[in-house]
Amino acid sequence: DAGVIQSPRHEVTEMGQEVTLRCKPISGHDYLFWYRQTMMRGLELLIYFNNNVPIDDSGMPEDRFSAKMPNASFSTLKIQPSEPRDSAVYFCASSWGGRRRNEQFFGPGTRLTVL
Amino acid sequence: KQEVTQIPAALSVPEGENLVLNCSFTDSAIYNLQWFRQDPGKGLTSLLLIQSSQREQTSGRLNASLDKSSGRSTLYIAASQPGDSATYLCAVGETSGSRLTFGEGTQLTVNP
Repeated sequence: DAGVIQSPRHEVTEMGQEVTLRCKPISGHDYLFWYRQTMMRGLELLIYFNNNVPIDDSGMPEDRFSAKMPNASFSTLKIQPSEPRDSAVYFCASSWGGRRRNEQFFGPGTRLTVL
Repeated sequence: KQEVTQIPAALSVPEGENLVLNCSFTDSAIYNLQWFRQDPGKGLTSLLLIQSSQREQTSGRLNASLDKSSGRSTLYIAASQPGDSATYLCAVGETSGSRLTFGEGTQLTVNP
């Protein structure tokens, strides 16, 4: 398996622009997680899905952020409009909800810079 | 609310030394505990997963222990090498779902 795949790996955009981050989880995993990592706040959980359904979005910072999972092999995290304080590394992770649930496998991340 | 603390925040050791990284958590009702490694500019790599019913897990030079009752886990690295230099993160899995709560990490530097 190729592991969790994220695109793009780097994104530089200007304030006010829409940004879409993409994630392909490991095949067979039924949980998908979106995290944000910054120096100031460390690793924060934004939202997670189970069987394509959002379970907890309490970590989504504000209405400018939205996430979707239209099928088991694809998810997007959208920021509209983007702001400089959104600059961070965004990680997607997936896991299987069996006995070893919580064993999350992370993608390489998308480094977002908002100018 | 679960809180995870890692001590020390940074550690620098000479090559060949055995070392211990510490992780503590406030709520002992956990499902499992996972140790990750993160290299600069990279994603997280899972090192070891300990289920709540287990006391320890080993992989090569790494050994992780879990004491649920005291809310502690340790990651022991034997015969450290420069390639072990990275940030090590501890994450606690909740019982009611699949959420992980992460510590802030220990930045390890192994000097040749």
